[in-house]
Amino acid sequence: QKEVEQDPGPLSVPEGAIVSLNCTYSNSAFQYFMWYRQYSRKGPELLMYTYSSGNKEDGRFTAQVDKSSKYISLFIRDSQPSDSATYLCAMRLATGGFKTIFGAGTRLFVKA
Amino acid sequence: KAGVTQTPRYLIKTRGQQVTLSCSPISGHRSVSWYQQTPGQGLQFLFEYFSETQRNKGNFPGRFSGRQFSNSRSEMNVSTLELGDSALYLCASSLEAELHYGYTFGSGTRLTVV
Repeated sequence: QKEVEQDPGPLSVPEGAIVSLNCTYSNSAFQYFMWYRQYSRKGPELLMYTYSSGNKEDGRFTAQVDKSSKYISLFIRDSQPSDSATYLCAMRLATGGFKTIFGAGTRLFVKA
Repeated sequence: KAGVTQTPRYLIKTRGQQVTLSCSPISGHRSVSWYQQTPGQGLQFLFEYFSETQRNKGNFPGRFSGRQFSNSRSEMNVSTLELGDSALYLCASSLEAELHYGYTFGSGTRLTVV
């Protein structure tokens, strides 16, 4: 079993839809939770980060962490064709450097 | 400010050869991590260097090695290349004082082993 599980999709939605992306994990020691977005032929870029449990909102994006269920989510409101990309969840411990465990990534297509 | 720079962007090598990839982190970033990305395995952690010392290591064979120089630039080396080493190799840098932030990634080096 992988430490971080993420449905690879693809996920196809119409423009303006609310998108929900999710990951589950097995290591209860993870403290930092992140979402990266990766466009084709580019490296991943950090989209959202959360420390421990709770919600965080940034514009159209909301990240949620439920440590009791070992479950994290990313919601995208009013999705746009420019949101079409691969979204990777990621997490790491609070100490010991930046070693980060990534999910497989979910390929998202937003149709105009 | 300049981002993370990886060179070369593309490489084609033959089985059995060795290869060296280079990464220049963002100015001031002393932590450099390397990842291998493949369609089947996703992003797999190779190693992390901080102030010229390897701080973390992933589960890759000893053919994969790296180093970091005093100016924080890093190189990774793969010896005795195998077909399965074909992948996108990503370098990422981080600022130690901003542990709550994640990585800034480079665009990667696409390695093809034939």
